[in-house]
Amino acid sequence: QKEVEQDPGPLSVPEGAIVSLNCTYSNSAFQYFMWYRQYSRKGPELLMYTYSSGNKEDGRFTAQVDKSSKYISLFIRDSQPSDSATYLCAMSGWTGGFKTIFGAGTRLFVKA
Amino acid sequence: DSGVTQTPKHLITATGQRVTLRCSPRSGDLSVYWYQQSLDQGLQFLIQYYNGEERAKGNILERFSAQQFPDLHSELNLSSLELGDSALYFCASSDDRVDEQFFGPGTRLTVL
Repeated sequence: QKEVEQDPGPLSVPEGAIVSLNCTYSNSAFQYFMWYRQYSRKGPELLMYTYSSGNKEDGRFTAQVDKSSKYISLFIRDSQPSDSATYLCAMSGWTGGFKTIFGAGTRLFVKA
Repeated sequence: DSGVTQTPKHLITATGQRVTLRCSPRSGDLSVYWYQQSLDQGLQFLIQYYNGEERAKGNILERFSAQQFPDLHSELNLSSLELGDSALYFCASSDDRVDEQFFGPGTRLTVL
């Protein structure tokens, strides 16, 4: 079993839709949770990060962490074609040394 | 623009050869991370340096090595290259906050 599971998609939605992206993890040592956006052939760009369980909102993006279920989500409201990219979840923690694990990434297509 | 620079952008070489990838972190960032991204493996953490010293090690092969210099730039050395080493190699940097890593544009390595 992978430490971080993320559905690779692709996920195709119409413009204006609410998008829900999710990851599950198995290691309870993870304390920091991040979402990155990666456009084709570019470096990942940090979108959101959270430390604790609960919600964090930034513009059209909301990150949600449920540590009890080992489940994190990213919601995108009023999705735009420019949101079309691969979204990677990542989590960090002390587990035999500090490490960061990335999910495989979900490809999102927002159709105009 | 994340402020992290990587050179070269593209590298084409033959099996058995050795290459060096270079990374300059954002101004003020002491940590440098190296990642490998291939189509079938996702983003894999290789190694982290903090202020010149190795801090964490991931799935880095013995044929690969890295170092961080006093001016904080870092180099990733890949030797005895194999076809399977073809991938995008990303460098990221952060300050003391482990939950915010800023990625460079990557180096695309092709081994023929």
